[in-house]
Amino acid sequence: NAGVMQNPRHLVRRRGQEARLRCSPMKGHSHVYWYRQLPEEGLKFMVYLQKENIIDESGMPKERFSAEFPKEGPSILRIQQVVRGDSAAYFCASSPPGNRGRETQYFGPGTRLLVL
Amino acid sequence: KQEVTQIPAALSVPEGENLVLNCSFTDSAIYNLQWFRQDPGKGLTSLLLIQSSQREQTSGRLNASLDKSSGRSTLYIAASQPGDSATYLCAVKNRDDKIIFGKGTRLHILP
Repeated sequence: NAGVMQNPRHLVRRRGQEARLRCSPMKGHSHVYWYRQLPEEGLKFMVYLQKENIIDESGMPKERFSAEFPKEGPSILRIQQVVRGDSAAYFCASSPPGNRGRETQYFGPGTRLLVL
Repeated sequence: KQEVTQIPAALSVPEGENLVLNCSFTDSAIYNLQWFRQDPGKGLTSLLLIQSSQREQTSGRLNASLDKSSGRSTLYIAASQPGDSATYLCAVKNRDDKIIFGKGTRLHILP
C-alpha cells in the first residue's frame, strides 16, 4: 500500500504565476488535509476535504488559495498569483473514514514551493 | 484557541545519553496527541500516537507520556544515537478534528 504521494516535490514559480500542488491519498482514504510549514514555523492547518466536499477551510487565506478533491483523481491545492510569502513546504495528509477523531493522519513528503 | 509549545527549541546531546523532549498544550479537550519526526527537507514520520484516554505509549527506545489534565506530554529517548538527529514535532488533535502542531525541537546527537 503506497503512502501518501505528493507532486511535485519541488516547485519554483515567479511572482504572479500559478502553483498547483497535487496529493494522492493512501488507498482507501477519503479524507485529505493540507498544511503549510513556513520557514522556522510549525505546520499550520489549511483545509480539510472529503471527496467532492470542503469540510473545513478555516486555515486557508481568503484570497488566491483554493483546494479541491474531485471524485476521481488527486486533491489539488491551487495558489494563484503567487507572492514571495507563499514560499513554504506544503504537506498533505490523509486518513480513512472512521470514528471521527480516532483515526490518525498519514503525511506525504511535502511540496517545497519557492517563489522568486 | 489551542496552542502547542515545545521546549527546548533546540537540543544537543552526546551519543548514548537519555533525553526528554517537552510539549505543552493549552486546551485539554483533545482526541489524541502525536509525536512526529521530521528530517531536513523531508516529510513527517509518525513516532507515537497517544489517545486521550491513555497515559503513555512505547516503541523501542521511545516512550511518550500524556498528562491531559496538566496539558503536558514528554517524549523520552533512551540511549540516543546519531541517527536520532532530527526535528521532533508534537501535535494535538482537537475535538473539531484540527491538528495543531508545535514548532518542534531540533535535536542533534553528538557522535
